[in-house]
Amino acid sequence: ELKVEQNPLFLSMQEGKNYTIYCNYSTTSDRLYWYRQDPGKSLESLFVLLSNGAVKQEGRLMASLDTKARLSTLHITAAVHDLSATYFCAVDSNYQLIWGAGTKLIIKP
Amino acid sequence: DAGVIQSPRHEVTEMGQEVTLRCKPISGHDYLFWYRQTMMRGLELLIYFNNNVPIDDSGMPEDRFSAKMPNASFSTLKIQPSEPRDSAVYFCASSGLGLETQYFGPGTRLLVL
Repeated sequence: ELKVEQNPLFLSMQEGKNYTIYCNYSTTSDRLYWYRQDPGKSLESLFVLLSNGAVKQEGRLMASLDTKARLSTLHITAAVHDLSATYFCAVDSNYQLIWGAGTKLIIKP
Repeated sequence: DAGVIQSPRHEVTEMGQEVTLRCKPISGHDYLFWYRQTMMRGLELLIYFNNNVPIDDSGMPEDRFSAKMPNASFSTLKIQPSEPRDSAVYFCASSGLGLETQYFGPGTRLLVL
């Protein structure tokens, strides 16, 4: 059974700091997805990582994938308050997505 | 495109009543997914369809839940009878070729009293 673990589950940080969210998964998969969810809102796609070594960046967020280590990271650079949200990673398994529990990120001024 | 459309956005009902949630996927998408999100259990896949055919319903919690997709532009999730433990946010999502990004609707917030 494919399992997806995120850590930390909760992160409170100051604006301007850097931090990384980790996503580990238990079996082979070549596709990993990152989503963002604001409180009371839907899920918004951030990144799709399709191969080993893939790196994608959007603004202050950068995601990478290491399929050999079964690890993806979401790095936040010089955090700003607008990035406060819950971030989910998900891994594909036979056309389904297996979801992590989410990382609730709070960025304080 | 208007994105994935769900209705109603909010539903409050009493235990024992029938609840029907509706979803219109993005035009041209072949896959449709129904999810449930709660604080305790997180995001759970209930069922998904490919070309209107249910592929995996192993996530449907019990026989009180049923889902249909009569055509490519419409799906329903029905709960009959509803129970307080069904209170959650129900999301519908669609995607093009299954392994592409899933696009989520705004969700239906269900409260069963």
